Amino acid sequence: SQQGEEDPQALSIQEGENATMNCSYKTSINNLQWYRQNSGRGLVHLILIRSNEREKHSGRLRVTLDTSKKSSSLLITASRAADTASYFCATVDAGGTSYGKLTFGQGTILTVHP
Amino acid sequence: DGGITQSPKYLFRKEGQNVTLSCEQNLNHDAMYWYRQDPGQGLRLIYYSQIVNDFQKGDIAEGYSVSREKKESFPLTVTSAQKNPTAFYLCASSISRGVNEQYFGPGTRLTVT
Repeated sequence: SQQGEEDPQALSIQEGENATMNCSYKTSINNLQWYRQNSGRGLVHLILIRSNEREKHSGRLRVTLDTSKKSSSLLITASRAADTASYFCATVDAGGTSYGKLTFGQGTILTVHP
Repeated sequence: DGGITQSPKYLFRKEGQNVTLSCEQNLNHDAMYWYRQDPGQGLRLIYYSQIVNDFQKGDIAEGYSVSREKKESFPLTVTSAQKNPTAFYLCASSISRGVNEQYFGPGTRLTVT
């Protein structure tokens, strides 16, 4: 079953605008990760946020985590056409027999128009 | 140049044939994974290996088999028992199974007709 579910499923914006993608999950987590996938390619790790962290930045990326709401958001500022890709959140379960398992959501397709 | 390689990029097979997908890494990572991705979907875990000569079933292992005889290599065999094998297959590795980020190969697109 899907742990992380992204919203929206697709997002279309103009270059220079900000893009926000959301991820919800169901179980207790150790950390949450965001990955990017260009069409027909492998995934690239973007950022990892631990369950005891609330916000993390990496370049133009800002990730927030709200464990009380079991949700995370990825903000890409000043988007570029090269940011066009699918973005996936993935959760690592905390404890139990599934400890360490990485579960992916269905992804958000981001299109940035020049 | 470190990373994960998968070959071939595209693979075509007739129904009823077994096919093996290659995955090699030179990152010195202990853990390796195989995922399946269907159009418009996220990734689903097929098998994972924490260490050489050890592997465990993921969420959708039926119709697949793996081996881990060397740290660098984790081949996936799609058997004729897999009912819907056409998909994009991704191999990944991490320093250890657990909380670390995973590094992905470029993927193999398998088409079975």
